[in-house]
Amino acid sequence: EPEVTQTPSHQVTQMGQEVILRCVPISNHLYFYWYRQILGQKVEFLVSFYNNEISEKSEIFDDQFSVERPDGSNFTLKIRSTKLEDSAMYFCASSEQLGRGEAFFGQGTRLTVV
Amino acid sequence: EDKVVQSPLSLVVHEGDTVTLNCSYEVTNFRSLLWYKQEKKAPTFLFMLTSSGIEKKSGRLSSILDKKELFSILNITATQTGDSAVYLCAVGYNQGGKLIFGQGTELSVKP
Repeated sequence: EPEVTQTPSHQVTQMGQEVILRCVPISNHLYFYWYRQILGQKVEFLVSFYNNEISEKSEIFDDQFSVERPDGSNFTLKIRSTKLEDSAMYFCASSEQLGRGEAFFGQGTRLTVV
Repeated sequence: EDKVVQSPLSLVVHEGDTVTLNCSYEVTNFRSLLWYKQEKKAPTFLFMLTSSGIEKKSGRLSSILDKKELFSILNITATQTGDSAVYLCAVGYNQGGKLIFGQGTELSVKP
């Protein structure tokens, strides 16, 4: 069964460093998302991406965040200068159609900022 | 402000019991309500509901949506220890693919 894959599964970084989280969405999907879940809290929407541009972003997705689809398969989330409060599980998701909401999630990358 | 609220927040049952998980929402431009199961890491998709009163069923799990009263329930019959997980309710909008999630219900099924 097709699945969304994310790498790495766990990343530890020092405050102020840049990190890139990688995702390979399901191959025939056209819409890509990043969500995050701080330990013990709700899953929160960060950004949606379609046709090589951001469709929508939340207030959390400020200037330190960026997304990119560098080739036909990868979808990346970059955090430019990490803060302690960026420590969370980051989930990539993809869907076939926009607005159907039937998003399929990857296993997540646990980011720990020290 | 749009919100999704789940109840109870946690639940402990014994194998064989039937459980009902609740999800209420206040969302402008509602399109769909989704249920996910989260075991340790990724939320895995269970159901998507868009129409009121039509039950969706998969094995021992079933779910229904009431768009007038703005809630959904997820039923699990004959629970098994493998059903232990956090169950997430999420709502999708009419425009855009964003989902907003509830805080989840942590279900623990004891042998």
